[in-house]
Amino acid sequence: AQSVTQLGSHVSVSEGALVLLRCNYSSSVPPYLFWYVQYPNQGLQLLLKYTTGATLVKGINGFEAEFKKSETSFHLTKPSAHMSDAAEYFCAVTLTGGGNKLTFGTGTQLKVEL
Amino acid sequence: DTAVSQTPKYLVTQMGNDKSIKCEQNLGHDTMYWYKQDSKKFLKIMFSYNNKELIINETVPNRFSPKSPDKAHLNLHINSLELGDSAVYFCASSHLQGGTEAFFGQGTRLTVV
Repeated sequence: AQSVTQLGSHVSVSEGALVLLRCNYSSSVPPYLFWYVQYPNQGLQLLLKYTTGATLVKGINGFEAEFKKSETSFHLTKPSAHMSDAAEYFCAVTLTGGGNKLTFGTGTQLKVEL
Repeated sequence: DTAVSQTPKYLVTQMGNDKSIKCEQNLGHDTMYWYKQDSKKFLKIMFSYNNKELIINETVPNRFSPKSPDKAHLNLHINSLELGDSAVYFCASSHLQGGTEAFFGQGTRLTVV
């Protein structure tokens, strides 16, 4: 079975500061890893994903994440936060042969302050 | 053109009633899902259908019954609604192959009073 842990249910940064949202996973087989963003009263939108190949993946809106197998981590970063980045962020995992079922972390609410 | 659309967006109903939520996707995907997001924003899969066949059925009360008339539609019917069913229900679709992106609908906020 797979699981995802997101450290920090709330993260607050200043506009222009580095954004770092943490995600650790547990999986008995190589995972596929995702970051989704949810704006208020909206559905989820894919930011980026890791399947195979390059471990540093770039996504939309300037976000990127690095898959570190040795640390079982897939942390999300953005060099400079913008007010429009304020949202809920979810890390998720699926497995090969798992019917592409997403197992989500508990989410991190990102607040961006002036 | 909306990729995954679900209706209604808001649903307020009394305990004991039966209600349905409809979902349609125009992405040509073969797999559709229902996810439940609780008041703490935790997301958990409920069901998944691949080409109209049920492939994932998590521990969901049998008051919840999904129906897929074709691979572009997945509806969710809920009988005898309870207060604890209040949540946001998301429909999603993707290809079955692991690692492919799932596209989500806007959600249906169900409030049981």
